[in-house]
Amino acid sequence: GAVVSQHPSRVICKSGTSVKIECRSLDFQATTMFWYRQFPKQSLMLMATSNEGSKATYEQGVEKDKFLINHASLTLSTLTVTSAHPEDSSFYICSVRILDTQYFGPGTRLTVL
Amino acid sequence: SQELEQSPQSLIVQEGKNLTINCTSSKTLYGLYWYKQKYGEGLIFLMMLQKGGEEKSHEKITAKLDEKKQQSSLHITASQPSHAGIYLCGADTDGANSKLTFGKGITLSVRP
Repeated sequence: GAVVSQHPSRVICKSGTSVKIECRSLDFQATTMFWYRQFPKQSLMLMATSNEGSKATYEQGVEKDKFLINHASLTLSTLTVTSAHPEDSSFYICSVRILDTQYFGPGTRLTVL
Repeated sequence: SQELEQSPQSLIVQEGKNLTINCTSSKTLYGLYWYKQKYGEGLIFLMMLQKGGEEKSHEKITAKLDEKKQQSSLHITASQPSHAGIYLCGADTDGANSKLTFGKGITLSVRP
């Protein structure tokens, strides 16, 4: 069965609004979760590492004030895209490392009009 | 930074044929992950390799990591339409089994 869930699976919003995406580890506690972004026909790019109880670690070029990450519990991390613009339209996917394997969620398709 | 090159970029095979795709790293791989993705969906974990010369198989898919730990191949035997999708390799970049760097993926189509 699924190890990681994401909600919502799809979201369409107007430019300037904020969107929150949830990532849940279903059967395991996760002190660390990862957020990736994938543009059409491109690979996954790591955006940030979400750390339970502390600040997220962002990759170079990713604006921390635009992509807010909250990892409030051992099973939930949220990514909020603030003041979204059309260029933020993408496929956002999270992952959880369990033992030696990283499991990915089903992803969230964000479309900003 | 870790660079991963996947080849070929895309592949079309006739059902029943064998095929091999590759993933080459610019640096030594601490761990190499193979995933399959359908467009617009999440990644399905296939296999993870860590040791030089390691080989793992699952059903009709076999993955190998070379001795130098810089190249991995994925071989599919007697391909089926269900094998179609995007195959991504991901590399453990710092040896801590944490964040992964991905290649651009290989799109596989299997003609019935």
